[in-house]
Amino acid sequence: GQQVMQIPQYQHVQEGEDFTTYCNSSTTLSNIQWYKQRPGGHPVFLIQLVKSGEVKKQKRLTFQFGEAKKNSSLHITATQTTDVGTYFCAVLSGSRLTFGEGTQLTVNP
Amino acid sequence: DTAVSQTPKYLVTQMGNDKSIKCEQNLGHDTMYWYKQDSKKFLKIMFSYNNKELIINETVPNRFSPKSPDKAHLNLHINSLELGDSAVYFCASSQDSGNEQFFGPGTRLTVL
Repeated sequence: GQQVMQIPQYQHVQEGEDFTTYCNSSTTLSNIQWYKQRPGGHPVFLIQLVKSGEVKKQKRLTFQFGEAKKNSSLHITATQTTDVGTYFCAVLSGSRLTFGEGTQLTVNP
Repeated sequence: DTAVSQTPKYLVTQMGNDKSIKCEQNLGHDTMYWYKQDSKKFLKIMFSYNNKELIINETVPNRFSPKSPDKAHLNLHINSLELGDSAVYFCASSQDSGNEQFFGPGTRLTVL
């Protein structure tokens, strides 16, 4: 399946600071999905990006798909303690969804 | 109503035992999956079924055997459990293989 690298692995921020996680692939992606997993919880689907250069927003979350469809980012503006968790990107190849290693976000109040 | 449910939530067992984890989805989805999440949070696909047929069978030991009695259920049986099998196992489902996946609450397996 397709490989995707996700960075950083960990991110600690103060409440109110911004946060960004990145996913990069060496090959062109057909689409990319983003999931959030709260501590002790299960992954929950956030969004799917399909088009080159696509930007989608969900309140304080902004998702981007690169022009070459080889990278994607998730940006959170003014983090809150409720944003704590692990954020995963996932890429589809055939019927297989391959997850990045995730970015674990902690937010200090 | 729980969309994707798994039982048990916790499973503690001795090495060498055989155990099963059950999964049910009430979303009417055609595709179901099993994932293993290790202590570093890495999520790895193990199996996928579409309408009761196996479509993904990753490189996992053959001690792991999935069974799908109908498209709403996908169970995972593990023989001769080993210490390295300790992890959280997630079941998931999707309408088609390309759509968003809905995950169950997970089963935390601890092998002593």
